Amino acid sequence: AQSVTQLDSHVSVSEGTPVLLRCNYSSSYSPSLFWYVQHPNKGLQLLLKYTSAATLVKGINGFEAEFKKSETSFHLTKPSAHMSDAAEYFCVVSGGTSYGKLTFGQGTILTVHP
Amino acid sequence: DSGVTQTPKHLITATGQRVTLRCSPRSGDLSVYWYQQSLDQGLQFLIQYYNGEERAKGNILERFSAQQFPDLHSELNLSSLELGDSALYFCASSGSRGSSYNSPLHFGNGTRLTVT
Repeated sequence: AQSVTQLDSHVSVSEGTPVLLRCNYSSSYSPSLFWYVQHPNKGLQLLLKYTSAATLVKGINGFEAEFKKSETSFHLTKPSAHMSDAAEYFCVVSGGTSYGKLTFGQGTILTVHP
Repeated sequence: DSGVTQTPKHLITATGQRVTLRCSPRSGDLSVYWYQQSLDQGLQFLIQYYNGEERAKGNILERFSAQQFPDLHSELNLSSLELGDSALYFCASSGSRGSSYNSPLHFGNGTRLTVT
Protein backbone atom coordinates (compact mmCIF):
# COMPACT_ATOMS: atom_id res chain seq x y z
CA ALA A 1 0.00 0.00 0.00
CA GLN A 2 1.16 3.51 -0.63
CA SER A 3 -0.06 6.98 0.16
CA VAL A 4 1.03 10.55 -0.15
CA THR A 5 0.18 13.57 1.96
CA GLN A 6 0.68 17.12 0.86
CA LEU A 7 0.85 19.07 4.05
CA ASP A 8 -0.46 22.38 2.74
CA SER A 9 -3.52 22.83 0.56
CA HIS A 10 -2.57 26.45 -0.18
CA VAL A 11 0.77 28.25 -0.16
CA SER A 12 1.13 31.95 -0.82
CA VAL A 13 4.46 33.66 -1.53
CA SER A 14 5.70 36.93 -2.92
CA GLU A 15 7.48 37.04 -6.24
CA GLY A 16 11.20 36.58 -5.77
CA THR A 17 10.91 34.73 -2.45
CA PRO A 18 11.56 31.01 -1.91
CA VAL A 19 8.93 28.35 -2.45
CA LEU A 20 8.49 25.27 -0.26
CA LEU A 21 5.76 22.72 -0.99
CA ARG A 22 5.75 19.85 1.45
CA CYS A 23 5.06 16.21 0.72
CA ASN A 24 5.26 13.10 2.89
CA TYR A 25 4.80 9.64 1.50
CA SER A 26 4.20 6.11 2.68
CA SER A 27 5.14 3.07 0.67
CA SER A 28 5.78 -0.59 1.31
CA TYR A 29 8.30 -0.62 -1.47
CA SER A 30 11.17 1.54 -2.62
CA PRO A 31 9.10 4.27 -4.17
CA SER A 32 9.42 6.38 -7.22
CA LEU A 33 8.30 9.93 -6.52
CA PHE A 34 7.18 12.66 -8.84
CA TRP A 35 6.03 16.23 -8.75
CA TYR A 36 3.53 17.41 -11.33
CA VAL A 37 2.21 20.90 -11.96
CA GLN A 38 -1.21 21.78 -13.29
CA HIS A 39 -1.94 25.20 -14.69
CA PRO A 40 -5.59 26.26 -15.03
CA ASN A 41 -7.47 24.36 -17.73
CA LYS A 42 -4.40 22.34 -18.56
CA GLY A 43 -3.24 18.80 -18.06
CA LEU A 44 -0.58 17.86 -15.56
CA GLN A 45 3.03 18.43 -16.51
CA LEU A 46 5.95 16.55 -15.01
CA LEU A 47 8.29 18.78 -13.01
CA LEU A 48 10.74 16.19 -11.77
CA LYS A 49 11.07 12.59 -10.67
CA TYR A 50 13.04 10.56 -8.16
CA THR A 51 13.81 6.95 -9.00
CA SER A 52 16.47 5.84 -6.47
CA ALA A 53 19.37 7.67 -8.04
CA ALA A 54 20.54 10.99 -6.57
CA THR A 55 18.47 12.12 -3.60
CA LEU A 56 18.48 15.75 -4.77
CA VAL A 57 16.51 15.96 -7.97
CA LYS A 58 16.52 18.94 -10.27
CA GLY A 59 13.51 19.61 -12.44
CA ILE A 60 12.27 22.11 -14.93
CA ASN A 61 11.72 25.82 -14.31
CA GLY A 62 14.24 25.96 -11.45
CA PHE A 63 12.41 23.53 -9.16
CA GLU A 64 14.14 20.83 -7.20
CA ALA A 65 13.17 18.25 -4.59
CA GLU A 66 15.08 16.25 -2.03
CA PHE A 67 14.24 12.67 -1.18
CA LYS A 68 14.70 12.03 2.55
CA LYS A 69 14.05 8.41 3.37
CA SER A 70 14.43 8.88 7.13
CA GLU A 71 11.73 11.52 7.09
CA THR A 72 9.67 9.91 4.30
CA SER A 73 9.55 13.31 2.66
CA PHE A 74 9.93 14.68 -0.84
CA HIS A 75 9.53 18.45 -0.49
CA LEU A 76 9.56 20.68 -3.58
CA THR A 77 11.54 23.92 -3.48
CA LYS A 78 12.46 26.83 -5.68
CA PRO A 79 14.82 29.64 -4.61
CA SER A 80 12.86 32.46 -6.19
CA ALA A 81 9.19 32.37 -7.15
CA HIS A 82 7.96 33.77 -10.43
CA MET A 83 4.44 34.85 -11.24
CA SER A 84 4.20 32.07 -13.80
CA ASP A 85 4.73 29.49 -11.03
CA ALA A 86 1.20 30.07 -9.78
CA ALA A 87 -0.53 26.73 -10.30
CA GLU A 88 -1.52 23.57 -8.48
CA TYR A 89 1.21 21.10 -7.62
CA PHE A 90 0.80 17.38 -7.06
CA CYS A 91 3.16 15.05 -5.27
CA VAL A 92 2.89 11.50 -6.62
CA VAL A 93 4.18 8.13 -5.45
CA SER A 94 4.57 5.02 -7.53
CA GLY A 95 5.88 1.63 -6.68
CA GLY A 96 5.23 -1.98 -5.97
CA THR A 97 3.19 -2.83 -9.04
CA SER A 98 4.53 -3.73 -12.40
CA TYR A 99 2.49 -1.24 -14.30
CA GLY A 100 2.60 1.84 -12.18
CA LYS A 101 -0.64 2.82 -10.58
CA LEU A 102 0.28 6.22 -9.29
CA THR A 103 -1.07 7.67 -6.07
CA PHE A 104 -1.62 11.41 -6.18
CA GLY A 105 -1.61 13.81 -3.28
CA GLN A 106 -4.52 16.17 -2.88
CA GLY A 107 -2.58 19.03 -4.41
CA THR A 108 -1.15 22.32 -3.20
CA ILE A 109 -2.30 25.55 -4.79
CA LEU A 110 0.57 28.00 -5.08
CA THR A 111 -0.29 31.68 -5.25
CA VAL A 112 2.42 34.18 -6.14
CA HIS A 113 1.90 37.83 -5.24
CA PRO A 114 3.66 40.67 -7.07
CA ASP B 1 2.61 20.02 -25.67
CA SER B 2 2.55 16.58 -24.05
CA GLY B 3 1.65 14.77 -27.26
CA VAL B 4 -1.47 13.29 -25.69
CA THR B 5 -4.69 14.33 -27.39
CA GLN B 6 -8.09 14.21 -25.78
CA THR B 7 -11.44 14.91 -27.40
CA PRO B 8 -13.77 16.56 -26.88
CA LYS B 9 -12.52 19.36 -24.66
CA HIS B 10 -15.94 20.01 -23.22
CA LEU B 11 -19.04 17.88 -22.98
CA ILE B 12 -22.40 18.85 -21.56
CA THR B 13 -25.06 16.21 -21.23
CA ALA B 14 -28.06 15.24 -19.16
CA THR B 15 -28.43 12.71 -16.39
CA GLY B 16 -29.02 9.18 -17.58
CA GLN B 17 -27.14 9.71 -20.82
CA ARG B 18 -24.04 7.96 -22.11
CA VAL B 19 -20.88 9.62 -23.42
CA THR B 20 -17.57 8.52 -24.91
CA LEU B 21 -14.28 10.27 -24.23
CA ARG B 22 -11.41 9.68 -26.60
CA CYS B 23 -7.67 9.70 -26.05
CA SER B 24 -4.73 9.37 -28.41
CA PRO B 25 -1.51 8.63 -26.53
CA ARG B 26 1.91 10.04 -27.22
CA SER B 27 3.58 8.42 -30.18
CA GLY B 28 5.25 5.19 -29.09
CA ASP B 29 3.56 5.01 -25.68
CA LEU B 30 1.87 1.71 -24.99
CA SER B 31 0.20 2.51 -21.68
CA VAL B 32 -2.89 4.65 -21.34
CA TYR B 33 -4.29 5.75 -18.02
CA TRP B 34 -7.61 7.42 -17.22
CA TYR B 35 -8.05 9.75 -14.27
CA GLN B 36 -11.01 11.65 -12.89
CA GLN B 37 -10.43 14.99 -11.22
CA SER B 38 -13.16 16.55 -9.13
CA LEU B 39 -13.14 19.20 -6.45
CA ASP B 40 -14.16 16.87 -3.65
CA GLN B 41 -12.24 13.73 -4.63
CA GLY B 42 -9.10 15.19 -6.13
CA LEU B 43 -7.33 13.18 -8.81
CA GLN B 44 -8.53 9.60 -8.86
CA PHE B 45 -7.05 6.81 -10.92
CA LEU B 46 -9.70 4.97 -12.90
CA ILE B 47 -8.06 2.41 -15.13
CA GLN B 48 -4.94 1.56 -17.11
CA TYR B 49 -4.46 -0.23 -20.39
CA TYR B 50 -1.20 -1.53 -21.75
CA ASN B 51 -0.94 -2.48 -25.41
CA GLY B 52 -4.65 -3.22 -25.64
CA GLU B 53 -5.04 -5.11 -22.38
CA GLU B 54 -6.44 -3.91 -19.10
CA ARG B 55 -3.59 -3.76 -16.56
CA ALA B 56 -4.80 -2.01 -13.47
CA LYS B 57 -8.09 -0.85 -12.09
CA GLY B 58 -8.68 1.93 -9.63
CA ASN B 59 -11.82 3.61 -8.41
CA ILE B 60 -13.79 3.03 -11.56
CA LEU B 61 -17.55 2.66 -11.29
CA GLU B 62 -19.37 -0.23 -12.94
CA ARG B 63 -21.20 2.33 -15.09
CA PHE B 64 -17.85 3.26 -16.60
CA SER B 65 -15.82 1.19 -19.01
CA ALA B 66 -12.82 1.67 -21.20
CA GLN B 67 -10.91 0.00 -23.95
CA GLN B 68 -7.70 0.44 -25.91
CA PHE B 69 -7.75 -0.24 -29.61
CA PRO B 70 -5.07 -1.81 -31.83
CA ASP B 71 -3.87 1.65 -32.88
CA LEU B 72 -3.42 2.32 -29.13
CA HIS B 73 -6.01 5.05 -28.83
CA SER B 74 -8.38 4.61 -25.93
CA GLU B 75 -11.99 5.40 -25.16
CA LEU B 76 -13.66 5.88 -21.82
CA ASN B 77 -17.38 5.19 -21.84
CA LEU B 78 -19.55 6.69 -19.12
CA SER B 79 -23.17 5.56 -18.92
CA SER B 80 -26.25 6.29 -16.83
CA LEU B 81 -24.64 9.57 -16.00
CA GLU B 82 -25.30 11.23 -12.67
CA LEU B 83 -24.72 14.79 -11.51
CA GLY B 84 -21.79 13.59 -9.45
CA ASP B 85 -20.00 12.39 -12.56
CA SER B 86 -19.32 15.99 -13.53
CA ALA B 87 -15.56 16.29 -13.48
CA LEU B 88 -12.43 16.73 -15.52
CA TYR B 89 -11.35 13.45 -17.08
CA PHE B 90 -7.70 13.10 -17.94
CA CYS B 91 -5.96 10.62 -20.12
CA ALA B 92 -2.25 10.01 -19.70
CA SER B 93 0.23 7.83 -21.47
CA SER B 94 3.62 6.46 -20.59
CA GLY B 95 6.36 4.11 -21.56
CA SER B 96 7.62 3.69 -25.01
CA ARG B 97 9.02 0.30 -25.94
CA GLY B 98 10.92 -0.10 -22.67
CA SER B 99 8.00 0.69 -20.42
CA SER B 100 8.60 0.39 -16.71
CA TYR B 101 6.55 1.45 -13.73
CA ASN B 102 8.91 4.32 -13.15
CA SER B 103 8.02 5.95 -16.42
CA PRO B 104 6.44 9.36 -15.86
CA LEU B 105 3.02 10.06 -17.22
CA HIS B 106 2.27 12.51 -19.98
CA PHE B 107 -1.14 14.04 -19.57
CA GLY B 108 -3.62 15.36 -22.06
CA ASN B 109 -5.51 18.58 -21.38
CA GLY B 110 -8.58 16.71 -20.25
CA THR B 111 -12.25 16.55 -21.12
CA ARG B 112 -14.52 18.61 -18.92
CA LEU B 113 -17.78 16.76 -18.45
CA THR B 114 -20.79 18.60 -17.12
CA VAL B 115 -23.89 16.58 -16.30
CA THR B 116 -27.05 18.64 -15.88
